[in-house]
Amino acid sequence: SQQGEEDPQALSIQEGENATMNCSYKTSINNLQWYRQNSGRGLVHLILIRSNEREKHSGRLRVTLDTSKKSSSLLITASRAADTASYFCATGGGSQGNLIFGKGTKLSVKP
Amino acid sequence: DAGITQSPRHKVTETGTPVTLRCHQTENHRYMYWYRQDPGHGLRLIHYSYGVKDTDKGEVSDGYSVSRSKTEDFLLTLESATSSQTSVYFCAIGGSAYNEQFFGPGTRLTVL
Repeated sequence: SQQGEEDPQALSIQEGENATMNCSYKTSINNLQWYRQNSGRGLVHLILIRSNEREKHSGRLRVTLDTSKKSSSLLITASRAADTASYFCATGGGSQGNLIFGKGTKLSVKP
Repeated sequence: DAGITQSPRHKVTETGTPVTLRCHQTENHRYMYWYRQDPGHGLRLIHYSYGVKDTDKGEVSDGYSVSRSKTEDFLLTLESATSSQTSVYFCAIGGSAYNEQFFGPGTRLTVL
């Protein structure tokens, strides 16, 4: 069963705008990760935030985690056409580091 | 793709045929995973391995088996393929539990 649920399912913005995607999950977690998938390719890890962290930055990416609300958000600032992809959140908490993925947000950045 | 290859990359087969997908890594990572990706479902874990000969089931393991006889190879077998197993299959590796996973390029399998 799905743990993370991303919102919105699809997002279309203009280049230069910020993109915000949200993820909600159901059970306690060890960490939450965000991945990007370009069409027809494998997933690429973007950022990992641990359950005791509230915010993390990596380049143009900013991730927040609110464990009390069981939610996370991914902000991409100053988006580029190359950011067009699907973005997945994945929660980690299994005994062997198993990840449970959401269904993803499809981001389209128009030049 | 972080030293992960999958073979074949594309396969078309018929219902009832056995199929084996191979994942090969050059990173010497302990953990290896098989996922399937379907529209409307995201990625779902089929099986995973936490060491040579150490494997366990994931969320959607029915109809699949795996084997890992050496660190670098993780095989996924469909004993008798069904149309419901038409999907894109991804292998992933991880150096340790609770850290990021690195994904292979995927295998597109069509069962007619």
